[in-house]
Amino acid sequence: AQSVTQLGSHVSVSEGALVLLRCNYSSSVPPYLFWYVQYPNQGLQLLLKYTSAATLVKGINGFEAEFKKSETSFHLTKPSAHMSDAAEYFCAVRGLTGGFKTIFGAGTRLFVKA
Amino acid sequence: KAGVTQTPRYLIKTRGQQVTLSCSPISGHRSVSWYQQTPGQGLQFLFEYFSETQRNKGNFPGRFSGRQFSNSRSEMNVSTLELGDSALYLCASSLGGLAGGVLYNEQFFGPGTRLTVL
Repeated sequence: AQSVTQLGSHVSVSEGALVLLRCNYSSSVPPYLFWYVQYPNQGLQLLLKYTSAATLVKGINGFEAEFKKSETSFHLTKPSAHMSDAAEYFCAVRGLTGGFKTIFGAGTRLFVKA
Repeated sequence: KAGVTQTPRYLIKTRGQQVTLSCSPISGHRSVSWYQQTPGQGLQFLFEYFSETQRNKGNFPGRFSGRQFSNSRSEMNVSTLELGDSALYLCASSLGGLAGGVLYNEQFFGPGTRLTVL
C-alpha cells in the first residue's frame, strides 16, 4: 500500500530563511509525487510534480523538490521564505498500486515570521 | 479557461438530512475526484469518476455516493448526515485518459464546499 509521511505538522521560519518541508513516501513501484499548497478557505494548488523525468523538480513561486529514491524522500525547499508563503503544504503520491486515487500526507503548516 | 467550480460554497444541515454537492470540472477534463478534508483525518479520498463511471473508491460508508453526467459535471450525495460528516469537501478535475497518463495527470482543485452538520 502506498503512504506519505510529512515530518512536522508545523514549521516556522523567518522571512528570508530557507524553507524545508519533509516528505517520505512508501510505494512498491516508482510513484508519481506531488506537492500542493492550500491557503485558508481555498482549495489546493499544485506547486510541482515528479513524473520520473528529472529528480530535481522546479515548481511555482520559487519552490523545488528533489526525488531521492534511496531515501524514499521528496522534500520541498525554497531558498528564501516570503510572508506570502505562509500556508499549509501537502505532499501526495499516486501510483499503480493505489489505482487512480491520490494519497495525501497529513500536511505541514508553514509559519513565516517577519 | 474557467477553473473548477463547486456549489454551494457553504452549507448547514442537521443530523439525518441528506445533502447534494455539485462540481463542474475544467472544460475538457473527464475525470472528477472527491475528497473530504477534516482537521482530524486530513484529506481523504472519496471516489473518482471518469466518463460517467466510478473508477475508484475510498473507504467511506455507503451513505456517501456520487455520479457523473455526460458533460463531466459531478455530484456527490451524503444521506443520513452525521455530525462527523462536517468537513470541507473538495472536488478535483483532471484530463484522465489512458492508464499511464492518468497517474501523472495534474489535478486541479475547486475551492470546496464547507458542510456543517448540526
